[in-house]
Amino acid sequence: NAGVTQTPKFQVLKTGQSMTLQCAQDMNHNSMYWYRQDPGMGLRLIYYSASEGTTDKGEVPNGYNVSRLNKREFSLRLESAAPSQTSVYFCASSEVKWEQYFGPGTRLTVT
Amino acid sequence: QKEVEQNSGPLSVPEGAIASLNCTYSDRGSQSFFWYRQYSGKSPELIMFIYSNGDKEDGRFTAQLNKASQYVSLLIRDSQPSDSATYLCAVNTGGFKTIFGAGTRLFVKA
Repeated sequence: NAGVTQTPKFQVLKTGQSMTLQCAQDMNHNSMYWYRQDPGMGLRLIYYSASEGTTDKGEVPNGYNVSRLNKREFSLRLESAAPSQTSVYFCASSEVKWEQYFGPGTRLTVT
Repeated sequence: QKEVEQNSGPLSVPEGAIASLNCTYSDRGSQSFFWYRQYSGKSPELIMFIYSNGDKEDGRFTAQLNKASQYVSLLIRDSQPSDSATYLCAVNTGGFKTIFGAGTRLFVKA
């Protein structure tokens, strides 16, 4: 039982490049989330998926798109990376009363 | 703008002491309250949740909720050096959006 997994762990992009962050969970949770974490700031919600087939914007969705591929997988895409998107990205899943379980994170640097 | 406020710290306590971490929130409609522990370079880990006013104890951890004062706290008894981490307070108002505080850094001195 791996919980929540994320790939890649580290990534360096040049401004304007695109990439997709992958997330999968094996806990049979309905809801999944993408957050970013910047120094001195709390986790900020980018997008979430309440259940398979639905996605909704969070607090900071600009510059990102998501896909809920199936119940297990939720991907985050940066179409044209910008230095402001340098951050640590966490995927999370939840089922009961919004108790969220986080993946190990992806550390992204955009130069 | 819904907010969750925490003192950034660092909060430094000697080994064996009680560490007290505090959090205030702005939305009176908040329903669920969480404490996550985050070690440096790692992901947040859920350690406590509380939904009702009062205290909830789990081992060395006690979460306290006062909805009238919009205040949540986490007490760590018999603090250990392994408790040194950043503690994130998180608040949910009933939907799918949980608001996280920026965290309080705790340092337990051996």
